[in-house]
Amino acid sequence: QQQVKQSPQSLIVQKGGIPIINCAYENTAFDYFPWYQQFPGKGPALLIAIRPDVSEKKEGRFTISFNKSAKQFSLHIMDSQPGDSATYFCAATPTSGTYKYIFGTGTRLKVLA
Amino acid sequence: DGGITQSPKYLFRKEGQNVTLSCEQNLNHDAMYWYRQDPGQGLRLIYYSQIVNDFQKGDIAEGYSVSREKKESFPLTVTSAQKNPTAFYLCASSILRDTEAFFGQGTRLTVV
Repeated sequence: QQQVKQSPQSLIVQKGGIPIINCAYENTAFDYFPWYQQFPGKGPALLIAIRPDVSEKKEGRFTISFNKSAKQFSLHIMDSQPGDSATYFCAATPTSGTYKYIFGTGTRLKVLA
Repeated sequence: DGGITQSPKYLFRKEGQNVTLSCEQNLNHDAMYWYRQDPGQGLRLIYYSQIVNDFQKGDIAEGYSVSREKKESFPLTVTSAQKNPTAFYLCASSILRDTEAFFGQGTRLTVV
């Protein structure tokens, strides 16, 4: 079964810190890697996404780093704020043509004021 | 406003009952999905549909059923065969396989 492994499960940082969340996949046939942010009681919302022909992508304070050879990708949050406290999910879509998003297990981030 | 609407927000089910969760989208997306979310387990795919009148089982389809009679609608029925239905259910839609999936606000189902 295709999997995406996410770590850590939870993370606490001080305001202004740079939390890093890591994901690794076990199947080379993925071609889209989005990150979603979810607040309690709400549905996830797309934060940023990357494709495997790019090694890094920045959008505001959020950066994705992608290492195709290691089958790993990570999310960095610069100058983190208490409002960034949420659960973050990485995901990947297989190239097989089926419409599936394979999600990681999530990272609960808390940014202390 | 374009988006995905799930209803109800909270749902209580008695043992042995079937319940149906509604999901409607006005984004003109072909693909729709149902996910189940449990603490510490991320989002697990129940069913997905790429086109009207067609749907596929996901990783945890047992005890669930769906229909896709209209492009805009993808209701999920939680049957009495689902032994542990208490969870947060999320519906999503997308244009293509490798583009953003838009999620609804979820339905929290509790068995009483």
